Amino acid sequence: NAGVTQTPKFQVLKTGQSMTLQCAQDMNHNSMYWYRQDPGMGLRLIYYSASEGTTDKGEVPNGYNVSRLNKREFSLRLESAAPSQTSVYFCASSEFSLHSGANVLTFGAGSRLTVL
Amino acid sequence: GIQVEQSPPDLILQEGANSTLRCNFSDSVNNLQWFHQNPWGQLINLFYIPSGTKQNGRLSATTVATERYSLLYISSSQTTDSGVYFCGSNYKLTFGKGTLLTVNP
Repeated sequence: NAGVTQTPKFQVLKTGQSMTLQCAQDMNHNSMYWYRQDPGMGLRLIYYSASEGTTDKGEVPNGYNVSRLNKREFSLRLESAAPSQTSVYFCASSEFSLHSGANVLTFGAGSRLTVL
Repeated sequence: GIQVEQSPPDLILQEGANSTLRCNFSDSVNNLQWFHQNPWGQLINLFYIPSGTKQNGRLSATTVATERYSLLYISSSQTTDSGVYFCGSNYKLTFGKGTLLTVNP
């Protein structure tokens, strides 16, 4: 199993350019997430999707859009990139357990984005 | 939303030493998880520990939900333990800023 796969791993953009980060999971999880990681800030939630067809804002959604294309795929789009969006982006997926109450996340390897 | 405070922010150990990492939470704890981010950036789930104590090899974790904190113990540390340790709580996981652990040979 590949788990959670993110593409691309690295990307350099100029201010104002657009791009989409792709994420796919093969664990049949219902929920998917996008986080960003900045030095000294930990991981902050951008958007999440509790199930196919639904998306909700997280802590830092401004400047981003998401699409839950199907159960496997959750993409993050930057319409007009800004230097403040230079970061490492992580996609994650999870499946809530009614039995245990656990919602354990599995993360992808990350995508490093630099906006000049 | 919930605030998560991790301490210490940085920790340097000699191989073989023991350490304790702590997370304090501003609100009720649920779905609490510990992760290790290795020097290559990969995030690995260590524990799902909403309450009580769990052990996995040299690592163990304890959560006292009534007092809103969790501890991660690393015994006989190895250089491969180096990296950043994160704790997170709530369904969508709100994370702390992490503890950077460096284990020197």
